[in-house]
Amino acid sequence: AQSVAQPEDQVNVAEGNPLTVKCTYSVSGNPYLFWYVQYPNRGLQFLLKYITGDNLVKGSYGFEAEFNKSQTSFHLKKPSALVSDSALYFCAVRDMGDYKLSFGAGTTVTVRA
Amino acid sequence: EAQVTQNPRYLITVTGKKLTVTCSQNMNHEYMSWYRQDPGLGLRQIYYSMNVEVTDKGDVPEGYKVSRKEKRNFPLILESPSPNQTSLYFCASRAGVAGANVLTFGAGSRLTVL
Repeated sequence: AQSVAQPEDQVNVAEGNPLTVKCTYSVSGNPYLFWYVQYPNRGLQFLLKYITGDNLVKGSYGFEAEFNKSQTSFHLKKPSALVSDSALYFCAVRDMGDYKLSFGAGTTVTVRA
Repeated sequence: EAQVTQNPRYLITVTGKKLTVTCSQNMNHEYMSWYRQDPGLGLRQIYYSMNVEVTDKGDVPEGYKVSRKEKRNFPLILESPSPNQTSLYFCASRAGVAGANVLTFGAGSRLTVL
């Protein structure tokens, strides 16, 4: 079985400060890991993914994520947050030997001006 | 424009009145899936399809049906809706079945069952 945990329901940061959204996962094999973002009244948009190779993955809108196999984590980061980054963020995992993509419960990010 | 289109976007209905939420993609994707999004629970998979005439249950299939008669369409059918099916529904598709291809999501369909 595979699962994803996002331990924080909400993250609040000031504009210009670093932003981190935490994600830990559990799979029986090797993982594919994804981050998606959902803006109000919109569908989910892909931010970045980890397949293999370099543990630091760079994605859209200045976001990056670090894969840590020993801690089974894939935290999303942005060095300097913008008010426009305020949204709902989902981490997702898929075992390489499976078809199913499992999502975390989501983390609401609020960036205050 | 490559996209997944869902209709209707908003629907209020009553218990027991059959409804269908349509989903269509124009990217020739093999894999399609339906999710429901509920606060605190994230996205849970209802059904998925790996190709035409191939469908399978996800985590929460009870009360739902799907069909995949054509590659581009994957409708979600609620034969007898109940209030616990009030939710935000997303259709998604991706190229291929295996591999790390990215899911493309529709804009969502907000369903209220009274």
